[in-house]
Amino acid sequence: QKEVEQNSGPLSVPEGAIASLNCTYSDRGSQSFFWYRQYSGKSPELIMSIYSNGDKEDGRFTAQLNKASQYVSLLIRDSQPSDSATYLCAVNMAGRWGLTGGGNKLTFGTGTQLKVEL
Amino acid sequence: SQTIHQWPATLVQPVGSPLSLECTVEGTSNPNLYWYRQAAGRGLQLLFYSVGIGQISSEVPQNLSASRPQDRQFILSSKKLLLSDSGFYLCAWSAVLGAEAFFGQGTRLTVV
Repeated sequence: QKEVEQNSGPLSVPEGAIASLNCTYSDRGSQSFFWYRQYSGKSPELIMSIYSNGDKEDGRFTAQLNKASQYVSLLIRDSQPSDSATYLCAVNMAGRWGLTGGGNKLTFGTGTQLKVEL
Repeated sequence: SQTIHQWPATLVQPVGSPLSLECTVEGTSNPNLYWYRQAAGRGLQLLFYSVGIGQISSEVPQNLSASRPQDRQFILSSKKLLLSDSGFYLCAWSAVLGAEAFFGQGTRLTVV
């Protein structure tokens, strides 16, 4: 089982629709979760972070976290062609900050490619 | 505000040649610094991280090394490149170790 798993896609949605991106993780003790957007040929850009169960909204983006089920999702409302990119899920896989147990780094999924079609 | 600079943007190097990639951060002190590599179809793989000057931790054994000669400077090196070293190399920084990281522009390395 991969530590952080995402469907590679591509996920195609029409313009104006809601795009739903999902991520599951293996470490039940993980506390911090992040979504990055990566345009083709560019570096990842942080768009959302979430630490507690429930929803966190920022503009058109909503991150959802369910620690019991070990998944985190990203919803993009009113999807635009400019949202077309690969979305990376990142997890700090430790129960606390520190240099052991994976807390020293973010573990990334391989990303989901999103295509927003006109 | 904090900014991170990484260069060069692209690099084509022959097998067996040396490598030096440099990354600098501005606008913050004592950042945690990271080198990641992204290969096609794979997630970002952490290569090295550093919590301070001269302090380097390696995540995977490989043909590469890292150094941190100054607080906000991080260098990735190799004495002899292999074909398998090709990839997209990303430098990143974070204020807290293992927390949200911010990436530089990346270097696309092709070893031929």
